[in-house]
Amino acid sequence: GAGVSQTPSNKVTEKGKYVELRCDPISGHTALYWYRQSLGQGPEFLIYFQGTGAADDSGLPNDRFFAVRPEGSVSTLKIQRTERGDSAVYLCASSLVSASGARADTQYFGPGTRLTVL
Amino acid sequence: QKEVEQDPGPLSVPEGAIVSLNCTYSNSAFQYFMWYRQYSRKGPELLMYTYSSGNKEDGRFTAQVDKSSKYISLFIRDSQPSDSATYLCAMSAMNRDDKIIFGKGTRLHILP
Repeated sequence: GAGVSQTPSNKVTEKGKYVELRCDPISGHTALYWYRQSLGQGPEFLIYFQGTGAADDSGLPNDRFFAVRPEGSVSTLKIQRTERGDSAVYLCASSLVSASGARADTQYFGPGTRLTVL
Repeated sequence: QKEVEQDPGPLSVPEGAIVSLNCTYSNSAFQYFMWYRQYSRKGPELLMYTYSSGNKEDGRFTAQVDKSSKYISLFIRDSQPSDSATYLCAMSAMNRDDKIIFGKGTRLHILP
């Protein structure tokens, strides 16, 4: 079946511009996660959605970053006034959530969006 | 000290060799331990997971967890060139609000 898809695969923008990154999770997965992966690093948690609501946004680095999931499926990560330090691969993952609600249940990752801020 | 430490490599071994990949961690609350494989320009893919201490085997892959030493390992037997990738360890405390914490990843090259 279809996996997690992310668009665009690459995004080049200029410092100060606004960008939107899209994630389409696996059908039926209620949990959705955004991560940021810088070169030579592991993924770092940004935000977690359970359904339509952001259950945990503690990983968002500052108020330039915002994410939505209005219908509980597709999610958009929005970055305002981009800075060169925002350059990274932005990964989206989705999962089913077990009865315990534990977030360590198997997460399926998309291929990521490579963001370059010039 | 970071919560999860992983040597970034690169690690180069000849085809057919046994590969040993390792991570150490500092948070004794971690109970769920994972290994992800990430090919270049792709997202991470879950290889194996274990709860608490012990060993788990899946084909050529064996995961070991030693909670007393806060040390986890992934062994790959009969390594193949197609195993060349970055291997990320990851762990979580398994409570509702706990995030998955990833290591930096180890780049592995299997030489034909």
